[in-house]
Amino acid sequence: DAGVIQSPRHEVTEMGQEVTLRCKPISGHNSLFWYRQTMMRGLELLIYFNNNVPIDDSGMPEDRFSAKMPNASFSTLKIQPSEPRDSAVYFCASTLGQIGETQYFGPGTRLLVL
Amino acid sequence: GDSVTQMEGPVTLSEEACLTINCTYTATGYPSLFWYVQYPGEGLQLLLKATKADDKGSNKGFEATYRKETTSFHLEKGSVQVSDSAVYFCALSQGAQKLVFGQGTRLTINP
Repeated sequence: DAGVIQSPRHEVTEMGQEVTLRCKPISGHNSLFWYRQTMMRGLELLIYFNNNVPIDDSGMPEDRFSAKMPNASFSTLKIQPSEPRDSAVYFCASTLGQIGETQYFGPGTRLLVL
Repeated sequence: GDSVTQMEGPVTLSEEACLTINCTYTATGYPSLFWYVQYPGEGLQLLLKATKADDKGSNKGFEATYRKETTSFHLEKGSVQVSDSAVYFCALSQGAQKLVFGQGTRLTINP
């Protein structure tokens, strides 16, 4: 079975440009999570969805960040405009949505904003 | 709010040494506890978990016991291998599905 799929795997862009990260969760999973990982701040939850509805976006750093989940098999995280401090690895994870269930992580998108 | 505190890293051991990575948590209820592992260049993957007090999770020679009285979930392995080199994350979930992670502990095993 395919795991969580993320694209692109690597992204290099210039400050001010729009960046869109994509995620396809595991089929049948109904919860999806976006995380950001940096050396300084570790692993941070940005936002999560349950049944395509955003449940908690308190981790989204500022209005430049937005996330959508138009259907059960696709989600995007957009940064507009991007800044150098957004450079990080962004992970998507999905789960069946029951308490205590395992989250399955994608391979991540490594973003570098110059 | 809920939080997880892990042993500071990095940790460097020789092959076949014993490993313990400490993890303690703060939570108001009865969380589920997890250890995730991240190998270089990869996403996190579940290593083991425990969903109630006194449960022991185990996988690939690693073990951790859910100790409610000490609010701990220490990761142990009796004999580590070079292939165990990775970053290890302790985490909890309670009520909502989201995970609260510790800061991660980088483990390096030398041959």
